Amino acid sequence: NFMLTQPHSVSESPGKTVTISCTRSGGSIASDYVQWYQQRPGSSPTTVIYDDTQRPSGVPDRFSGSIDRSSNSASLTISGLKTEDEADYYCQSYDSSKQVFGGGTKLTVL
Amino acid sequence: EVQLVESGGGLKQPGGSLRLSCVASGFTYGDYAMNWVRQAPGKGLEWVSGISGSGGFTSYADSVKGRCTISRDNSKSTLYLQLSSLRAEDTALYLCARAGTQGIVSTILYWGQGTLVTVSS
Repeated sequence: NFMLTQPHSVSESPGKTVTISCTRSGGSIASDYVQWYQQRPGSSPTTVIYDDTQRPSGVPDRFSGSIDRSSNSASLTISGLKTEDEADYYCQSYDSSKQVFGGGTKLTVL
Repeated sequence: EVQLVESGGGLKQPGGSLRLSCVASGFTYGDYAMNWVRQAPGKGLEWVSGISGSGGFTSYADSVKGRCTISRDNSKSTLYLQLSSLRAEDTALYLCARAGTQGIVSTILYWGQGTLVTVSS
């Protein structure tokens, strides 16, 4: 079993770049793919990154994903921040056949 | 267009049971694994259960194992979740979610709007 730990909140100004981390405790971050989901207030989640670095069709290339074996973490980077990016972001990976979610990070764009 | 429409939520009694349904459209249902994910009020996402495209493989979160059954009827493009021995901590929005492949270990690509379950006397 492992956990995915995210910062509770981050904030940045429009037009800037922000990075949200997701640290895996137990096992290697590279062992299983990491996904990132965006949840705007009052809405269902949407997938913004899958398989560590892939963007579903329709997701702008301002969103990018990466993993860092040295820190055993995954990251979601959003460049050219827009006010519409303000949302909760969740990382997710797999523990055998189970799915594990991080606790979520609230992104404020101000 | 992929659509996932959940139903079956509402006020449930502690110790009681529930059966949720999710009707899918816009894709070949049997080609994809499906999941239930829940979100307690003001809290984060919690994966509950998943089932492979054929229905032959299922998996459950430790928090519901032993009192939860996921199933699917590919002829009706419908996903089900049965949960018994309900507790207050089962109160949540239950979201139906479609994976990217048939396999159970597959990213979620589409989400429904959810059905709210409240467990209270």
